[in-house]
Amino acid sequence: DAKTTQPTSMDCAEGRAANLPCNHSTISGNEYVYWYRQIHSQGPQYIIHGLKNNETNEMASLIITEDRKSSTLILPHATLRDTAVYYCIVGGGNTPLVFGKGTRLSVIA
Amino acid sequence: GAGVSQSPRYKVAKRGQDVALRCDPISGHVSLFWYQQALGQGPEFLTYFQNEAQLDKSGLPSDRFFAERPEGSVSTLKIQRTQQEDSAVYLCASSVLLTNSPLHFGNGTRLTVT
Repeated sequence: DAKTTQPTSMDCAEGRAANLPCNHSTISGNEYVYWYRQIHSQGPQYIIHGLKNNETNEMASLIITEDRKSSTLILPHATLRDTAVYYCIVGGGNTPLVFGKGTRLSVIA
Repeated sequence: GAGVSQSPRYKVAKRGQDVALRCDPISGHVSLFWYQQALGQGPEFLTYFQNEAQLDKSGLPSDRFFAERPEGSVSTLKIQRTQQEDSAVYLCASSVLLTNSPLHFGNGTRLTVT
């Protein structure tokens, strides 16, 4: 079973920041937080991952709380092409990633 | 550069037929994964290879499912005597290594069993 809890769906206005929350209260010390997204009819796309420090790349920022029990993925300026299902996954090491149902983000013009 | 390539993109099989799904990972990627995604659900892990060795097949739903990667590159997922419940998108992913490396997914094969 997935070790994360995410809202089923969210809306965001185009041009605004999209903040996607994820709870992972049972995360263990050596597990990373990963974010992937899946646009309709495509395979999942890697976005970002982190252990305990906040991370930023050209796609998004990842904010992990100090106790590591939750995190937030931030898309700073959402566009219509960011409409997708976003998966928050906890794992790493020598075990394959387990996907949950994710959050369906709809970016609205 | 070339990403993960899967073929065929769509496959329709009559119940009871055998099917073979192909995955061409990114060149040089050591790890290869197969996932199954039912409509409206997240991908579910099936099996994992490191080079030619199948290290984990705990997610294969029955002994009708078989995967191989004989030369540590291309992989084939075979489903024997297909059933309607096998209808799903089958996703292949590769990564440089298992440990903390991002997975690169193909666009999947949509299997429909009639």
